Amino acid sequence: SQTIHQWPATLVQPVGSPLSLECTVEGTSNPNLYWYRQAAGRGLQLLFYSVGIGQISSEVPQNLSASRPQDRQFILSSKKLLLSDSGFYLCAWSGGRYQPQHFGDGTRLSIL
Amino acid sequence: AQSVTQLDSQVPVFEEAPVELRCNYSSSVSVYLFWYVQYPNQGLQLLLKYLSGSTLVESINGFEAEFNKSQTSFHLRKPSVHISDTAEYFCAVIPLSGGGADGLTFGKGTHLIIQP
Repeated sequence: SQTIHQWPATLVQPVGSPLSLECTVEGTSNPNLYWYRQAAGRGLQLLFYSVGIGQISSEVPQNLSASRPQDRQFILSSKKLLLSDSGFYLCAWSGGRYQPQHFGDGTRLSIL
Repeated sequence: AQSVTQLDSQVPVFEEAPVELRCNYSSSVSVYLFWYVQYPNQGLQLLLKYLSGSTLVESINGFEAEFNKSQTSFHLRKPSVHISDTAEYFCAVIPLSGGGADGLTFGKGTHLIIQP
């Protein structure tokens, strides 16, 4: 069966520091991959999605970037974190555009 | 572009009472619809989905949702709730055509609070 792993589960970082969140999927090949951010009271916002290695689409201009170095690996990065980057970050995968998305357990990021 | 409105941010219900969580969407094209549930400090889990066919869809834990195209709604219901149903519930859509992002458009969520 397919599984999705996200780490770390929680992260506290100072303003201006770099960020790297990692997500990997097992049990499937060529998945669509997504990064969402969940802010309190604002639901989930799609940040990036990828339909293949090296193919990244950004939905919201921001301080973050994403990369897909391998088929089942999706990385969310920042060179310098802002206070506004705090939130709950969720990675998800699907078998295609219209297939249900399956989420990881998320990373709670706090910026001090 | 699509939008999803969950009319209630919070719904308190007594245990064993029925509940309805409302979801309305706006889209210029047909959509697939989903309900996800999020327990505290966890990711989202797919609860049920409407892709085509019967407009009434059911989940394995007693929830059901009915797609109403004319009212552009996909309300979630359960006839008798349990304490374990306490969670955040998200309605989401994805358009069937028109290009755009592959990702889901989510509502802001409804916090279901079950009172003993």
